[in-house]
Amino acid sequence: ILNVEQSPQSLHVQEGDSTNFTCSFPSSNFYALHWYRWETAKSPEALFVMTLNGDEKKKGRISATLNTKEGYSYLYIKGSQPEDSATYLCAFKAGSARQLTFGSGTQLTVLP
Amino acid sequence: NAGVTQTPKFQVLKTGQSMTLQCAQDMNHNSMYWYRQDPGMGLRLIYYSASEGTTDKGEVPNGYNVSRLNKREFSLRLESAAPSQTSVYFCASSPLGQGDSGNTIYFGEGSWLTVV
Repeated sequence: ILNVEQSPQSLHVQEGDSTNFTCSFPSSNFYALHWYRWETAKSPEALFVMTLNGDEKKKGRISATLNTKEGYSYLYIKGSQPEDSATYLCAFKAGSARQLTFGSGTQLTVLP
Repeated sequence: NAGVTQTPKFQVLKTGQSMTLQCAQDMNHNSMYWYRQDPGMGLRLIYYSASEGTTDKGEVPNGYNVSRLNKREFSLRLESAAPSQTSVYFCASSPLGQGDSGNTIYFGEGSWLTVV
């Protein structure tokens, strides 16, 4: 079983603050890294799928970077809004694996 | 635009009872999955089906059975529920295999199951 860690486990920020959190994964045999956003009582939704070292992806105020050589990905949220409050999940796929391994998530609360 | 639909949304079971979680997708996806989400843990794969007629065990299959009824439907059965199966269950689907390059997973809204 692969070790995928997310930090911090939870954080609270003020509306307007920018924030970032980390997903760490094994640096060998990388295939893909996914980010999902999950609001309680709703379906988790895909944010990004990243496959190349150095990838940077952006969707509105949310962006992500990928470093496969050192085994981490950062998710950034610029100017956080209350509607950004959710759990952010990353999922890693090794080249030899048939399935994704999910991290336990970072729970973000944006205070108005 | 339904996507992935799973039922029931909430269920309370007594230890030893059985039940089936139903899931259907309308996106013509080949692959379907059942996950469970527990506090402090990531989504863990219970079973998956890469295509109609095939099913495979995931990380935590014990105590569960699945049926891929057709391309659209993938059900999860608890034959004799135990308190350890209290969890949030997610059905999901993807066009191709899980995690294939550029291939995202589409989730249902979750089923909250409590076993007392």
